[in-house]
Amino acid sequence: GAGVSQTPSNKVTEKGKYVELRCDPISGHTALYWYRQSLGQGPEFLIYFQGTGAADDSGLPNDRFFAVRPEGSVSTLKIQRTERGDSAVYLCASSFTSGTYNEQFFGPGTRLTVL
Amino acid sequence: AQRVTQPEKLLSVFKGAPVELKCNYSYSGSPELFWYVQYSRQRLQLLLRHISRESIKGFTADLNKGETSFHLKKPFAQEEDSAMYYCAPNNAGNNRKLIWGLGTSLAVNP
Repeated sequence: GAGVSQTPSNKVTEKGKYVELRCDPISGHTALYWYRQSLGQGPEFLIYFQGTGAADDSGLPNDRFFAVRPEGSVSTLKIQRTERGDSAVYLCASSFTSGTYNEQFFGPGTRLTVL
Repeated sequence: AQRVTQPEKLLSVFKGAPVELKCNYSYSGSPELFWYVQYSRQRLQLLLRHISRESIKGFTADLNKGETSFHLKKPFAQEEDSAMYYCAPNNAGNNRKLIWGLGTSLAVNP
């Protein structure tokens, strides 16, 4: 079946602009995670959804970052007033549940470049 | 603070040689530990997890709670093992967010 998909695959924007990154999880997966990976670093946790609600947003770096998952499926990560330091690969992962361990399946990522 | 250390950024071995990718963690509670792998131009994928105690693609990893280590080992490396490897414990509790190491790039030379 289809895996986790993310769009766009690449996004180039100018400093100060607003961007939206989309994640389509595997159908039926209730848990959804966003991670950010900067060059030469491991992924860094941003936010976790269980269903429609953000159960843990402790990884969001500041209030320019926001994410939604209104129907418990697709999620959108929104970044306002982008800065050059926001340039990274943004990864989305989903799993069946987070109540007990289940494997997280990753999307291909969106490479964001802020000029 | 939760922390994962992968001391080697790059590990280069010859085909057929044994390989060990080190991982040490500092964690409260009882995390589950995982190794994820990313092959060139592919997405991150789970390689193995400590609770299943299985061997995947010839790799094994033993959780040593005394040393807080979860080193990944393979007795005979193959060229197709060349990839980026990440050690990642998850958050103990309902939120299974992963805490990642910096990763080790494994290069297996012919």
